[in-house]
Amino acid sequence: QSALTQPASVSGSPGQSITISCTGTSSDVGGYNYVSWYQQHPGKAPKLMIYEVSNRPSGVPDRFSGSKSGNTASLTISGLQAEDEADYYCSSYTSSSTQAVFGGGTKLTVL
Amino acid sequence: QVQLQESGPGLVKPSETLSLTCTVSGGSISSYYWSWIRQPPGKGLEWIGYIYYSGSTNYNPSLKSRVTISVDTSKNQFSLKLSSVTAADTAVYYCARDRKFVDTAMVTRYYGMDVWGQGTTVTVSS
Repeated sequence: QSALTQPASVSGSPGQSITISCTGTSSDVGGYNYVSWYQQHPGKAPKLMIYEVSNRPSGVPDRFSGSKSGNTASLTISGLQAEDEADYYCSSYTSSSTQAVFGGGTKLTVL
Repeated sequence: QVQLQESGPGLVKPSETLSLTCTVSGGSISSYYWSWIRQPPGKGLEWIGYIYYSGSTNYNPSLKSRVTISVDTSKNQFSLKLSSVTAADTAVYYCARDRKFVDTAMVTRYYGMDVWGQGTTVTVSS
C-alpha cells in the first residue's frame, strides 16, 4: 500500500494555529474513521495525539484537534507552544481494517 | 501502567534473520493487538505488521514474504523475525499496543497505537 501524503514541513509562531493535512484514498482515510495522529520528538518514540479522526487520548491538550473531509484528514494545533515543535505522522487502517499505513511525516517548526 | 521494551541484537549481517522481542509489563498481553513499526534513519514510520494475542497476524504486503510475528502469552511477549535482511532494513524498530476492538454494537473501533516501546536500533552490516 502507498504511504499517506503529508506536507514535508509547516511552521508557525507561538500562539498561532497551524494545520497539517494527510491525504489518502477511499480505501483508507476516506473510507473509515480510523485516522490517528502521532507526535515524535527527536530521538523519542511516537506519542498518540488523536485517534478515530478527532478523539484525544487522556492527557493530550485540547489545543490539538482532528478532522476529516473526503480523503483528507487534518490535524490542527492552536495556541502553538515551543514544545509542540516535533514531527507529526498520520496513520490510517486500510480497507477491512487489516493493514495500517503511515504518512511520510511533517516537521513542525515553532518560529 | 503498561510498558513495552524491545530487545535483541543491534547488529545483523546481510542475508541473515533479524530477531526482536517485545516484553509487555504492567498489564496483560491478552485481548489486544500488538504491532511492530520501524523507522529508517532520517525517514518516516513504516508499519510492519500486527499480531492478536490469540495468534492471528497481518503483515505489510511489501514485507510479507520475509516477516513472521509470533506471541508467547505465558511470557507476556511478542516477537518479530525478518529474514534475508539488507542494508535497507537498518532502522529503529518499535513495538506498540494497537487498540483495535469490536464494541458492544459489533462495530470495529480503533483507538490508535497508544503505548510504544522506546525503540531499538538495528543495523544491517557485515
